[in-house]
Formats: sequence, structure tokens, C-alpha cells
Amino acid sequence: NAGVTQTPKFQVLKTGQSMTLQCAQDMNHNSMYWYRQDPGMGLRLIYYSASEGTTDKGEVPNGYNVSRLNKREFSLRLESAAPSQTSVYFCASSEAVQGASYEQYFGPGTRLTVT
Amino acid sequence: AQKITQTQPGMFVQEKEAVTLDCTYDTSDPSYGLFWYKQPSSGEMIFLIYQGSYDQQNATEGRYSLNFQKARKSANLVISASQLGDSAMYFCAMSTTYNFNKFYFGSGTKLNVKP
Repeated sequence: NAGVTQTPKFQVLKTGQSMTLQCAQDMNHNSMYWYRQDPGMGLRLIYYSASEGTTDKGEVPNGYNVSRLNKREFSLRLESAAPSQTSVYFCASSEAVQGASYEQYFGPGTRLTVT
Repeated sequence: AQKITQTQPGMFVQEKEAVTLDCTYDTSDPSYGLFWYKQPSSGEMIFLIYQGSYDQQNATEGRYSLNFQKARKSANLVISASQLGDSAMYFCAMSTTYNFNKFYFGSGTKLNVKP
């Protein structure tokens, strides 16, 4: 039982390049999330997916796209990377359902640097 | 709008003593959940404790307890008998029943446990 896995762990991009961050969970959770963590700002929600085939914007969605490929996988794409997207990216999953909050389980994070 | 505030950027505590990490929140939703996460220097996010807004008793999990004061909108984390391994960043987070998939995180408190 690996929990939540993310690839890659580290990535350096040049401005304007694109890349996709991959995330998978093996806990059969309905909900999955992408966050970014910047120094001194805690975690901010980029996008989330409440179920397979659905995605919704979070607090800071600009410059990102997501795909919920199936129940296990949720990817985050940067189409044209900018230095402001330098951050640590976390994927998370939860069994959250309508009307109830549950804790989130986090992946190990991806440290992205855009030069 | 939902907001989490952690006013202590950094704290020190002597090993074996208790420490309280402050968290205040703001929401107009009457039903919500409050969470605390630990982030060691290795970077992973570890769930510690959960408090529901309608829970009658304060949550406890081992050495962690949550001092929930609903009228004051505070959800402070108390760590008893601090250990060196407790040195980490601690984040308070909230989600509401209405927006159960939107988690809001505070900016965190860095706890250092001194031997």
C-alpha cells in the first residue's frame, strides 16, 4: 500500500517549457487535490477533483490544467512555465464525500524550479 | 470566505514540556472541520488530529489534543511531553461542509524542541 505517489520528485524547467506532474493513489479515494506550497504561505489549493471525470478550480488555478484520468490518477500540467510557478507541489487524496470532511493524505511533493 | 490564521511563525519548547500552537479561523458556514498537520524537514505532510464543529468534546490523539473554543473561533493544538522528533512545521487547516473539498491552510508555525 503505497498511499499517494508523485513523480517526479525534482524538476527544473526553463521559462515557457511545459511539463506534467503525475499523481496516483491506491486508497480508492474519491477526491484528489493539487496544492502548491510557497515559503511562508502554507498550502494553497490549485485544483481538485471530487470524483472521476470532474475537476474544479481552487484558490490559485491560473497557469495550470488538470486531468482526472481515472479514480487513481490526477495529473497537473503547466503549459508554459513561469518563474512564479517555482514552488513545491503536493498531491493529496481524501475519502471526503458530500456533507463530511475527512483528512487528506499527501504525496511526498515535487520541488519545481523555473528559471 | 474561509480563512485560517496562525500568528506564531516560530516557537521553542524544552523537551518534555507541553506546548500550545495557536490557530484561529473564520467561516460563516455552521458546519466545518478543523485539521492539524505536521511537516518535518523531510517535507511530507502528516495528519495529526481532526475536530468537527459539532463535536462536543475536544479531540485527542495520543500526545496531541485540540483545544477547541467555538465562540472564540480558535482550534489550538496542544502537544504534551514534547520530544525532539516533534520539531517541525505545523499547519492548521479547515474545510466546510458546504465546500467539503476546499481546504484552507494557515501559514504554519515552526516548532523547535530543545534538548
